[in-house]
Amino acid sequence: AQTVTQSQPEMSVQEAETVTLSCTYDTSESDYYLFWYKQPPSRQMILVIRQEAYKQQNATENRFSVNFQKAAKSFSLKISDSQLGDAAMYFCAYRSAVSIGRDQFYFGTGTSLTVIP
Amino acid sequence: NAGVTQTPKFQVLKTGQSMTLQCAQDMNHNSMYWYRQDPGMGLRLIYYSASEGTTDKGEVPNGYNVSRLNKREFSLRLESAAPSQTSVYFCASKRQGASTDTQYFGPGTRLTVL
Repeated sequence: AQTVTQSQPEMSVQEAETVTLSCTYDTSESDYYLFWYKQPPSRQMILVIRQEAYKQQNATENRFSVNFQKAAKSFSLKISDSQLGDAAMYFCAYRSAVSIGRDQFYFGTGTSLTVIP
Repeated sequence: NAGVTQTPKFQVLKTGQSMTLQCAQDMNHNSMYWYRQDPGMGLRLIYYSASEGTTDKGEVPNGYNVSRLNKREFSLRLESAAPSQTSVYFCASKRQGASTDTQYFGPGTRLTVL
């Protein structure tokens, strides 16, 4: 099974500053999808950004962008101009592009982000 | 548009009691999932259902049963609750085969087993 590792259990950032959350994964597959989810105190899981492994261009969504390094199996999330509402638990997730069998997502253990006013 | 709904939001059980967590989605999704979330463990898949009438075990299925009676609903049953099943449970759904599609999550159920 694929494994997803988030080595930073907790991070903090000053409001308006930039922070990068790290994620690495282990897979033997060449085609797959990567996701970052945000879980605020409400517990609702919200998709932040996604990346297709076959695309070399890094995905961006407003203040959120990723640094996808396929050879290094690294998928970090950069949050620019951090806002108080960005405070949450962030999860990295992996999904195989192979559509046969179980359509499973593999999640990391999460990084708790604190935004300091 | 309700998306994915879960009931109840909170539940306290005594060891040995049984209960069923309900999940329903109104997005016409084929795939549905049950996860548990524990501190430091992330989300772990309990069971998965690719379509009505089919289910498949995930990483941590022991102590749980599921039922996919129709396309909308996917329930999770604890036959004899144990303290180790204290957790937050999430239901999710997704369009089958849509490669870049995300899973859509319910609001979660916080379960405490005493």
